[in-house]
Amino acid sequence: DTAVSQTPKYLVTQMGNDKSIKCEQNLGHDTMYWYKQDSKKFLKIMFSYNNKELIINETVPNRFSPKSPDKAHLNLHINSLELGDSAVYFCASSQDRRLSRAGANVLTFGAGSRLTVL
Amino acid sequence: GQSLEQPSEVTAVEGAIVQINCTYQTSGFYGLSWYQQHDGGAPTFLSYNGLDGLEETGRFSSFLSRSDSYGYLLLQELQMKDSASYFCAGSYSGAGSYQLTFGKGTKLSVIP
Repeated sequence: DTAVSQTPKYLVTQMGNDKSIKCEQNLGHDTMYWYKQDSKKFLKIMFSYNNKELIINETVPNRFSPKSPDKAHLNLHINSLELGDSAVYFCASSQDRRLSRAGANVLTFGAGSRLTVL
Repeated sequence: GQSLEQPSEVTAVEGAIVQINCTYQTSGFYGLSWYQQHDGGAPTFLSYNGLDGLEETGRFSSFLSRSDSYGYLLLQELQMKDSASYFCAGSYSGAGSYQLTFGKGTKLSVIP
């Protein structure tokens, strides 16, 4: 009954390999995100999808490709892994993407996927 | 760009009160959220201020002043379990999209 689940939790791989991280949410949310948290704990948004449509695509190398088969899933595929890709990748979801001064657009995060590139 | 500034580390004694400040850039700003993250865990939502003033949720309160581009998280009756990183996050609009931009986090250490 986990709200946002991502797999795998840990991933150790060699430079140059291709890997994927999967994310699923059962909250009925319309918007999903990928965030990268580096060793200094800086949380930086990578991508955001709303109802399977890409709405945010930050300056991320094109080796990173998100795929959203439906609004409950947002997967992240990484090609040609580099040492600098080592980080914790968090998937998150929110009810919608509208802004409101009255209420927060609360993000619910998955447990994170720790990627180590050797 | 959108950036938020907060102290990198704070230490406080169990039972005390601690305030974590956050300043933000105003262009496109809608509101300020706070998230808590324990080591090895996921960020979890604590509070949100879309309007000026104080929001209280149990031992935690959050404040926003738009005129000063400033907010803070106040933690009262500190407990050891409050040791964690606390992130302020600004909601920003632009080009029809929504974005939550996080500060670099404040590591709170609660000592006996």
